[in-house]
Amino acid sequence: GAVVSQHPSWVICKSGTSVKIECRSLDFQATTMFWYRQFPKQSLMLMATSNEGSKATYEQGVEKDKFLINHASLTLSTLTVTSAHPEDSSFYICSATPGGETEAFFGQGTRLTVV
Amino acid sequence: GQNIDQPTEMTATEGAIVQINCTYQTSGFNGLFWYQQHAGEAPTFLSYNVLDGLEEKGRFSSFLSRSKGYSYLLLKELQMKDSASYLCAVKDSNYQLIWGAGTKLIIKP
Repeated sequence: GAVVSQHPSWVICKSGTSVKIECRSLDFQATTMFWYRQFPKQSLMLMATSNEGSKATYEQGVEKDKFLINHASLTLSTLTVTSAHPEDSSFYICSATPGGETEAFFGQGTRLTVV
Repeated sequence: GQNIDQPTEMTATEGAIVQINCTYQTSGFNGLFWYQQHAGEAPTFLSYNVLDGLEEKGRFSSFLSRSKGYSYLLLKELQMKDSASYLCAVKDSNYQLIWGAGTKLIIKP
């Protein structure tokens, strides 16, 4: 199957700092990638849809100025959590679906802890 | 609103069979997915149903009834490694995945 690589797997940062998470499609081109957040024992919550070469589409309640998304190439999308706070601590996961495929392929996820 | 319901937690015995149910109410339907997620890891794809009926894949089977807004995932010959959360997800009319909260499956020896 297709491979989506996410980096880093985990990160600890101080309150007020920014953290960048990368999501790469290794063996296919992804015009669209999805960013999810998952709190413990809860469902995957779609944060935003990342579109190559254009602005991301954010879900209701997600602050676009806080969660900056850049999709500059067909194989890379980045999510930057700006001015992180402890409540931003969560599991962040990206996904993409290769053309012609039905299922979504997920990155390994990034465990963010803000202290 | 859109809603997907599945039990929060289930317990089963190694070697047995377990059925995890999922009911959904979504704006449109373009397929139902089951994913397995181990703690701290990303979900991995198990099955996809878009037409009514049963899809079998090894020890795992998935059933869909679109008229009832209902699906189940059937796991046979349970192994300890099957202990995980099982997520039901539906693609709505906009082809966006709507996720259930997941069912935590605990396998006991």
